[in-house]
Amino acid sequence: EVQLVESGGGLVQPGGSLRLSCAASGLTLSSHWMHWVRQAPGKGPVWVSHINADGSSTNYADSVKGRFTISRDNAKNTLYLQMSSLRAEDTAVYYCTKRSPNWYFDPWGRGTLVTVSS
Amino acid sequence: SYELTQSPSVSVSPGQTASISCSGDKLGDKYICWYQQKPGQSPLLLIFQDTKRPSGIPERFSGSNSGNTATLTISGTQAMDEADYYCQTWDSSTVVFGGGTKVTVL
Repeated sequence: EVQLVESGGGLVQPGGSLRLSCAASGLTLSSHWMHWVRQAPGKGPVWVSHINADGSSTNYADSVKGRFTISRDNAKNTLYLQMSSLRAEDTAVYYCTKRSPNWYFDPWGRGTLVTVSS
Repeated sequence: SYELTQSPSVSVSPGQTASISCSGDKLGDKYICWYQQKPGQSPLLLIFQDTKRPSGIPERFSGSNSGNTATLTISGTQAMDEADYYCQTWDSSTVVFGGGTKVTVL
């Protein structure tokens, strides 16, 4: 069974940093385009970032560009999202998900909650 | 930037048909996906490439996409279908989600 498990969320003060992890089982992350998507409380999902299969290309939403960095550890089969200079508006559940060759997202992890507040 | 617009809510009686719309400029020229999300859960893929259902998704869920509007149809709606539904597409390699439609089964 393919499974994605996020961790690393929590309460952080504005301006602080946090690193999210997404551990994969049942699939090899380095074979797939992987994405981070976030969802603020009561709102719809919003795309945050992606990394391509070989790790040579990354992209970010304008709202996080320059503050967030996506990366991957192939040996650990784990995806990361390093977040810095966090703002209140970054408060959300963060999901990692795999993009299929047919351009849909499946599976999704259960998400990890990031709360930015003083 | 490209936008997808969904009506905020839809109410349906058990056994009836629910139609959830998603609109965007020339949306019919793009592929659309639909996700279901229940409280406290992650999104679940229902429909991809406008009309295709992944294995395990009941046949009562169907999709269409033409012109500026894509539609998710739930035939014979069941109480378990009460959830938020999101459409999603790609525009110039950018991922776009709709704002979501809350389906209430009365």
